[in-house]
Formats: sequence, C-alpha cells, structure tokens
Amino acid sequence: DIVLTQSPTTLSVTPGETVSLSCRASHSIGTNLHWYQQKTNESPRLLIKYASQSISGIPSRFSASGSGTDFTLNINNVEFDDVSSYFCQQTQSWPRTFGGGTKLELK
Amino acid sequence: EVQLVESGGGLVQPGRSLKLSCAASGFTFSNYYMAWVRQAPKKGLEWVATISTSGSRTYYPDSVKGRFTISRDNAKSSLYLQMNSLKSEDTATYYCARHLQLPFDYWGQGVMVTVSS
Repeated sequence: DIVLTQSPTTLSVTPGETVSLSCRASHSIGTNLHWYQQKTNESPRLLIKYASQSISGIPSRFSASGSGTDFTLNINNVEFDDVSSYFCQQTQSWPRTFGGGTKLELK
Repeated sequence: EVQLVESGGGLVQPGRSLKLSCAASGFTFSNYYMAWVRQAPKKGLEWVATISTSGSRTYYPDSVKGRFTISRDNAKSSLYLQMNSLKSEDTATYYCARHLQLPFDYWGQGVMVTVSS
C-alpha cells in the first residue's frame, strides 16, 4: 500500500500568513494526488485535484504543487474560514489511501 | 444541485450486519463511479469501497474485503453498502462520495455506525 505522510500534524498560524502543508508518498504516484478540506463536523470538500489543478468555487488563495513523492498545499493570506483539517489522497494504485491530515489552527 | 443523502446507520452488535443506503440526486447517477469512505471518531479518512458505473466492477481495501459489499441501483439513483461480520473497528461515520474521474468531488453528510455490545 502507498503510505501518505502529512506534516506538520498541527499548524498554528496568524491570519494573513502564507502556509505550506506537506504530503509525502512512500512510492512515486505521479500527479495522482488530491487535497481535501474538512471543517469540524462537516464532510470533506475537494480543494485541488491531480496535484495542482484548481477546483471551481475554491478560493484562489489555495494552490498546490508537486509530483512523484513530494507534494505541497499552499494557502496564501490565511483567513479564519480556513480553520480545518486538510487531507491528501492518492489514486495512483489500489487501495486508495489518505494521509493522516494536518489540522490548521489560528493563533 | 448535487445531493448525496446517506441513511441506515445506527448501533449494532459485533458480528451482526447493517446496510447503508445513499440516495443521489442532481446529476446522472449512472454516469459516475461511486464510493464509500469512512472516518473513525477523531481519526482520518479511510476509503472503503468503489463501484463502477454499471456495477460490474468493485474495489475494496483488505480491511473490509469479504465482509462489505458495495452495490448500486441506477434506476433508483441509489448506492448501497452491505456490511457483515461487523467489528468494533468498523465504528465510524460513513460517507457516500461521487468520483470525478479519480478524486471524490461530492460527499454526503455522513451516517454514523457504532459497533458495540
């Protein structure tokens, strides 16, 4: 199975900051990596698909990059509304796997 | 508007069975692969099953293979998850999700399944 390791586990930031969340795969997965946002007591929401492709309706302050084994989700000018857990997911092979998540908190 | 509404959750004893349903609306259900994803309390996400558009192909992780069965009824725009031989570690919120090619672009609100004696 492909293991996805997200770091950091928790990130505490000040509104207006720019942050980077990491997702590292145990094997190369090309660009078959997707990012989700999950607010407390809500369902996950697709943020970015195929490593860097934007999703309609998602604010432009969310961007992502990477390929192979190293991936990054960037959030520019963090807002209060961004307080959430962020998960990466790979669809390179079966079983589909998710990272353990990064919880974004505001100071 | 795409809507996915799960039902059928609840409290069940270990070793027993439960069947979840997901009613889909707002899109042509038969055109999409569908899936179930679960989340144990305070934990991360775990993919549970995927089914092809016709239902002829299904995929499972080892953790549920042989115990869970995903199915669909395209005429009713409905997705199902039959869960047998339930274990305490199956306790989770179960989400119905639509595949946009490979990722999941729409998720239901989730239904809670608690396996406990």
